[in-house]
Amino acid sequence: GAGVSQSPSNKVTEKGKDVELRCDPISGHTALYWYRQSLGQGLEFLIYFQGNSAPDKSGLPSDRFSAERTGGSVSTLTIQRTQQEDSAVYLCASSEPSGGARETQYFGPGTRLLVL
Amino acid sequence: GEDVEQSLFLSVREGDSSVINCTYTDSSSTYLYWYKQEPGAGLQLLTYIFSNMDMKQDQRLTVLLNKKDKHLSLRIADTQTGDSAIYFCAETLSGGSYIPTFGRGTSLIVHP
Repeated sequence: GAGVSQSPSNKVTEKGKDVELRCDPISGHTALYWYRQSLGQGLEFLIYFQGNSAPDKSGLPSDRFSAERTGGSVSTLTIQRTQQEDSAVYLCASSEPSGGARETQYFGPGTRLLVL
Repeated sequence: GEDVEQSLFLSVREGDSSVINCTYTDSSSTYLYWYKQEPGAGLQLLTYIFSNMDMKQDQRLTVLLNKKDKHLSLRIADTQTGDSAIYFCAETLSGGSYIPTFGRGTSLIVHP
């Protein structure tokens, strides 16, 4: 594909509602990452998918956050009962393992989530 | 534990060189990266350096690595207004996962 795409690009929701964020990785990339970027902060790792292996969920901040990756391609990040502190930019990246070198991550443009 | 630190802001005049600095704490770093984030966009990988290298140059970009001091820098020669962005330093660790640890980013402001 042309690059990593994410939808929606912006999402405004009310506190307590559930939201779903979508990521379409580059075709053929087996690794997919979700990060959260809060204002003035660096990137906070959330979850990592690699092929058919069990995902690394060590970065998910609470059980309100979950993610799945269907068919090894598209991923959905779900936030249940959203809180105002969930407001941030949610970035997705994908990569393809490249032999001896660490693979390059290609980032999508992000989804800007605002919880009122 | 791992920690990557950067100064938050850097302001330079157009045409001057910019030097963005980063320090890290884990000596088992394998790769160190510089990413650029323009407003409203995701992160774009600019360059990376393997931890057994001291320097890497790519056109206007020069990366210097001081392993002893755990210090990484990115020099941008002839800085242009289009270089205004947030620059993130990141590292991955040997024997670890492929998940990089990112700094908070340095906002580079280029003024005429």
